[in-house]
Amino acid sequence: GAVVSQHPSRVICKSGTSVKIECRSLDFQATTMFWYRQFPKQSLMLMATSNEGSKATYEQGVEKDKFLINHASLTLSTLTVTSAHPEDSSFYICSARDFRSYSYEQYFGPGTRLTVT
Amino acid sequence: RKEVEQDPGPFNVPEGATVAFNCTYSNSASQSFFWYRQDCRKEPKLLMSVYSSGNEDGRFTAQLNRASQYISLLIRDSKLSDSATYLCVVNSAAGNKLTFGGGTRVLVKP
Repeated sequence: GAVVSQHPSRVICKSGTSVKIECRSLDFQATTMFWYRQFPKQSLMLMATSNEGSKATYEQGVEKDKFLINHASLTLSTLTVTSAHPEDSSFYICSARDFRSYSYEQYFGPGTRLTVT
Repeated sequence: RKEVEQDPGPFNVPEGATVAFNCTYSNSASQSFFWYRQDCRKEPKLLMSVYSSGNEDGRFTAQLNRASQYISLLIRDSKLSDSATYLCVVNSAAGNKLTFGGGTRVLVKP
């Protein structure tokens, strides 16, 4: 159980375009999903917390107008990188908490590797 | 000071040996602690939660020392497949959020 999928797994886009990444919890419901970014040889940095039915909470320094998050259902959250630039190239990973669980552990999707040329 | 700190390594470990490493956290109100494993270019996967009394899962033993604010992971009888980056993860007192350490890289060699 506790499977999280992410799509696409890899995307290459041109500078100035927008990219949408989907995160789905496949066998559980997640009122809260999280979006992380990981640069090479660095650890995961939380970008935002996505709450079903409400606005996402962004971490300090993360531009909410650039990284649009939508969490329209208990099993789907999307991250849209708008007007992507080469410095946005990174590994984007989502995670989800099972809302029935008392534990704070999160289950991670397989990640999306974004390359902006 | 980082909220969660780890020795980045790498720890070069002969196959079959034991390796142990720590992680320190700065927020004394932290409530939950985890070790995740991350392979190169993959997502993190939960290795084990860390309980106050310490816990063991096969060859892996985790300990929590609240007084000194560190957690540890010990791997016995290391296998080549244990080569990975081990992430120390702490639940912040703010609730849902997890804070990741920079990871400790372990390389098990034949």
